[in-house]
Amino acid sequence: AQSVSQHNHHVILSEAASLELGCNYSYGGTVNLFWYVQYPGQHLQLLLKYFSGDPLVKGIKGFEAEFIKSKFSFNLRKPSVQWSDTAEYFCAVNANSGGYQKVTFGTGTKLQVIP
Amino acid sequence: EAGVAQSPRYKIIEKRQSVAFWCNPISGHATLYWYQQILGQGPKLLIQFQNNGVVDDSQLPKDRFSAERLKGVDSTLKIQPAKLEDSAVYLCASSLVATPYNEQFFGPGTRLTVL
Repeated sequence: AQSVSQHNHHVILSEAASLELGCNYSYGGTVNLFWYVQYPGQHLQLLLKYFSGDPLVKGIKGFEAEFIKSKFSFNLRKPSVQWSDTAEYFCAVNANSGGYQKVTFGTGTKLQVIP
Repeated sequence: EAGVAQSPRYKIIEKRQSVAFWCNPISGHATLYWYQQILGQGPKLLIQFQNNGVVDDSQLPKDRFSAERLKGVDSTLKIQPAKLEDSAVYLCASSLVATPYNEQFFGPGTRLTVL
């Protein structure tokens, strides 16, 4: 069965600091990878996704993530965070399971950006 | 485009009572998902529908949880009887079809508290 690990549960950064949130998954086959974000009081929404091709994918609001197949990782990065990036971030893996696509989410990382 | 609608937004019940949640997906979305998100954890898929057929309900506690999607549009999730450990946010999501290339759109969720 597939699984997703997010090692940082709570991250506190000052504005303009660089961000990297870790995500590792466990699955031997082809995967599709996602980062979702939940801003305070809002719905979960897609930040970026990887299906194939260039392992460095760019999403909304200056976020990017790099798929490293050999490390089973899909870490999220942003060079300079803003106070408005305060949110909870979820990594998710979509893989074929029993003939259909199944999505598994990580436990999430709460990011707090201090002005 | 209207988003995924869920009701009620909040519900407080006592253990052993019954409760039902309603979801209206984005118009035209064939795939509908129900997730359970316990505090401090990522969303866990309970059931996935493709139109009005069940694709995956492997993590649905079928002794107390049931879900239906009549006419392939709206869906209801029921818990009967509720237990303390069912306290969570219940998220509904929809996508065009059940492929990894289609983004899931989430509703605001229903926060259930079981006393």
